[in-house]
Amino acid sequence: KAGVTQTPRYLIKTRGQQVTLSCSPISGHRSVSWYQQTPGQGLQFLFEYFSETQRNKGNFPGRFSGRQFSNSRSEMNVSTLELGDSALYLCASSFRVVGETQYFGPGTRLLVL
Amino acid sequence: GENVEQHPSTLSVQEGDSAVIKCTYSDSASNYFPWYKQELGKRPQLIIDIRSNVGEKKDQRIAVTLNKTAKHFSLHITETQPEDSAVYFCAASTDTGTASKLTFGTGTRLQVTL
Repeated sequence: KAGVTQTPRYLIKTRGQQVTLSCSPISGHRSVSWYQQTPGQGLQFLFEYFSETQRNKGNFPGRFSGRQFSNSRSEMNVSTLELGDSALYLCASSFRVVGETQYFGPGTRLLVL
Repeated sequence: GENVEQHPSTLSVQEGDSAVIKCTYSDSASNYFPWYKQELGKRPQLIIDIRSNVGEKKDQRIAVTLNKTAKHFSLHITETQPEDSAVYFCAASTDTGTASKLTFGTGTRLQVTL
């Protein structure tokens, strides 16, 4: 079974730009969560989608948004990028709810200059 | 919201010794507690998890214990090997069946020396 995939793997953007990251979950998984990982803040929850609906959201500004498609693939968008948005963005998928095993993708490393 | 504290932030042990990492959580409704291992440059990998109706779970050299009353859980690695060197994250989740969110600890960098 193919694992969670994320594209692109690396991105360099400048302040003020926007970026869209993509996540394809494991086949059959319907829950997709997004996390931001930074050396200073660790792994922080962004949001979780299930069946195209956002079920939970972390404490991030409205510049961070996401969506999920009918095939469970998910995208997250960050608008008006700031230097502090530089991080590794990880998505994770599970079959139904977070209480089931979550499998992480390799992440997208975003650098904002 | 949920808050998870993890200690220590770094841990160095000699090969063959045991390592213990401790986490505390704040939300008494949390009912699922996974542990992830992240090697340098790689994705977090689930190594063991425990639910609130279980006090202890073992998988070969790895064990996790949960004390619901005290709201803390621990990871125990016995007979450590160099390949155990990584960053370990604990997490807590409230799984209501309709909403979900994993809150992670800040990580423990484990170094196993020869």
